[in-house]
Amino acid sequence: AAGVIQSPRHLIKEKRETATLKCYPIPRHDTVYWYQQGPGQDPQFLISFYEKMQSDKGSIPDRFSAQQFSDYHSELNMSSLELGDSALYFCASRRTLMAYNEQFFGPGTRLTVL
Amino acid sequence: AQKITQTQPGMFVQEKEAVTLDCTYDTSDQSYGLFWYKQPSSGEMIFLIYQGSYDEQNATEGRYSLNFQKARKSANLVISASQLGDSAMYFCAMREGLNQGGKLIFGQGTELSVKP
Repeated sequence: AAGVIQSPRHLIKEKRETATLKCYPIPRHDTVYWYQQGPGQDPQFLISFYEKMQSDKGSIPDRFSAQQFSDYHSELNMSSLELGDSALYFCASRRTLMAYNEQFFGPGTRLTVL
Repeated sequence: AQKITQTQPGMFVQEKEAVTLDCTYDTSDQSYGLFWYKQPSSGEMIFLIYQGSYDEQNATEGRYSLNFQKARKSANLVISASQLGDSAMYFCAMREGLNQGGKLIFGQGTELSVKP
């Protein structure tokens, strides 16, 4: 079965650089979520999209932006990177109208800011 | 206020024995969902089991069962017949409401080590 795809899997950037993370949800899933997991931390919700519209917003810095495109893939854009942005970034997708509302997680993108 | 609390930072269990990982939650919603995820050292988040707030029976998935005590607001994960491959971080998570965005709120996690 198809799973959530994230790219790249690993990314190394310098401080003040920009990064773009991509997420391809499971086909026919209409909702995408982004989470950030710092070292030794639990995942923290950043932002979500339902049918290409932002549906919820969590503790996402103003330096970050995200969008969902017509093909339902999503991109998380991160600018002016800081050391503290080093984390594992997960994308998850869900088919909202399914009775069983499991979120399927991608493998994550590990971002290292030097 | 912490909505999901996992009070065991680390747990040890002997191979083939059962282990219970604790999770308590706090919500004023009547409709919510509770999840357990496994995160091995490789980093991926693996879904284990789900319990809806209106489900009367405790959820079970193979060797995993969820001991749901609604009045106590607890949703403990029970792993039977532990295997070496069960060594990982385990996260309890909650989704509030039926269709309120659906974001998950995670607990701090419990690191489980299975001893041979």
